[in-house]
Amino acid sequence: GESVGLHLPTLSVQEGDNSIINCAYSNSASDYFIWYKQESGKGPQFIIDIRSNMDKRQGQRVTVLLNKTVKHLSLQIAATQPGDSAVYFCAERSLSGYALNFGKGTSLLVTP
Amino acid sequence: GAGVSQSPRYKVAKRGQDVALRCDPISGHVSLFWYQQALGQGPEFLTYFQNEAQLDKSGLPSDRFFAERPEGSVSTLKIQRTQQEDSAVYLCASSFGSSEAFFGQGTRLTVV
Repeated sequence: GESVGLHLPTLSVQEGDNSIINCAYSNSASDYFIWYKQESGKGPQFIIDIRSNMDKRQGQRVTVLLNKTVKHLSLQIAATQPGDSAVYFCAERSLSGYALNFGKGTSLLVTP
Repeated sequence: GAGVSQSPRYKVAKRGQDVALRCDPISGHVSLFWYQQALGQGPEFLTYFQNEAQLDKSGLPSDRFFAERPEGSVSTLKIQRTQQEDSAVYLCASSFGSSEAFFGQGTRLTVV
C-alpha cells in the first residue's frame, strides 16, 4: 500500500544467506529509484540506484530489480553479513524532480 | 571533511524555545535538502535549495519552520516556538545536480 511502501517491516536472515527486500510504489511518474541503508544513529547511506529505462542493475553484492508493470522494486543482497544489519529504505522521484519520497523502511537483522 | 556535516548532533529544547540547526554540505554540491525523520519512519521532505535559492518549501509543516542558505553553501533550519511534535531527527542532504543525495548524520531534536 503506500505511495512508496514496503511489504515486510522486518526481515531476519542467517549470515551467508541471500536477502531480498521488496518495495511497492504507486506514482507512475517516478523514473528514478534509490535504495538507502540506515544504521542506528546515522543518516541514510546510498546503496544503489536505478532509472526507469532499466530493469536490473548490479553493484557489489547488491542487485536492484525494477518491474514497472507492477510498480515493484526489490533489493537483493548476496551472502548477507552481520554488517548488513540496518533499516533499508527505498525512495523514488521523477528525474525532472528533486525531492525523494521515502517508504517506511524494512529492518534487516542478520543472525550468525 | 568529505561528507555532509550537521550540528549539533543532539539538541534538547524546552517547549517554546527557538532552535537553529546547521548543515555543511559537500563542497560544490548545488542542491541541498532538509528532511524530517520521526522515530520508526522514513525521512519526509521539508525543503530544497538550489544554490542560495529556496525552490521548494512545501514540506515545511508550519510557519514556525524557516530555512536559509544565504551564500549557497551552509544552510540553517530554524524552528521557532518549538512544540513536542517537532521532536525528530532532522537530516540534511546534498547532491550535485540530479545525482544521488548524500545525507549527514542528522540532528536529533528532543522538545521537553
